[in-house]
Amino acid sequence: GAVVSQHPSWVICKSGTSVKIECRSLDFQATTMFWYRQFPKQSLMLMATSNEGSKATYEQGVEKDKFLINHASLTLSTLTVTSAHPEDSSFFICSARVRGGTSPLHFGNGTRLTVT
Amino acid sequence: GQNIDQPTEMTATEGAIVQINCTYQTSGFNGLFWYQQHAGEAPTFLSYNVLDGLEEKGRFSSFLSRSKGYSYLLLKELQMKDSASYLCAVRDRGNNRLAFGKGNQVVVIP
Repeated sequence: GAVVSQHPSWVICKSGTSVKIECRSLDFQATTMFWYRQFPKQSLMLMATSNEGSKATYEQGVEKDKFLINHASLTLSTLTVTSAHPEDSSFFICSARVRGGTSPLHFGNGTRLTVT
Repeated sequence: GQNIDQPTEMTATEGAIVQINCTYQTSGFNGLFWYQQHAGEAPTFLSYNVLDGLEEKGRFSSFLSRSKGYSYLLLKELQMKDSASYLCAVRDRGNNRLAFGKGNQVVVIP
């Protein structure tokens, strides 16, 4: 089945630094990937839609300059949290759908970000 | 836009049956998904409904009524490993994005 790999699984960083999270589709091509964010006991909130070869589409209220998304190839999307602050600490999850299908989203294992 | 509502938590006994409900409002319905999420992990896909009726997959079944904006997930023969959060998600026809409900936490006790 479709596999989405996300790295790192967890990261602890100091306030003011930047963190890059990678999302790879391992056995399929994904022209579109989705980045979600989740706070404890809350739902998954869609942050942005990552489009291969073009700019990401951000949801209302998500800071584009804060959460930089790059989708350089059909198998890789990256999310960079710039100048991280403690309030940015949360669970980030990427997902992708098999190209051309109406199949469900396949999720990466998520990245737990803690900013100290 | 989309509005998805799920009850928050329930406890059930091993071997029992539980039903988790989900109501939604959307301007353009294009499918409803159920996911299971264990604490600290990513969601895993359980079922998909786009037409009215019941879809059965082993111990899990999901029902959809589009006219009522309603779905439920039925978990049979509960096992301890079924303790998790169950999320319903609705796909929008216009942009193909998935919007998730808050999830229903199911706790299975011996």
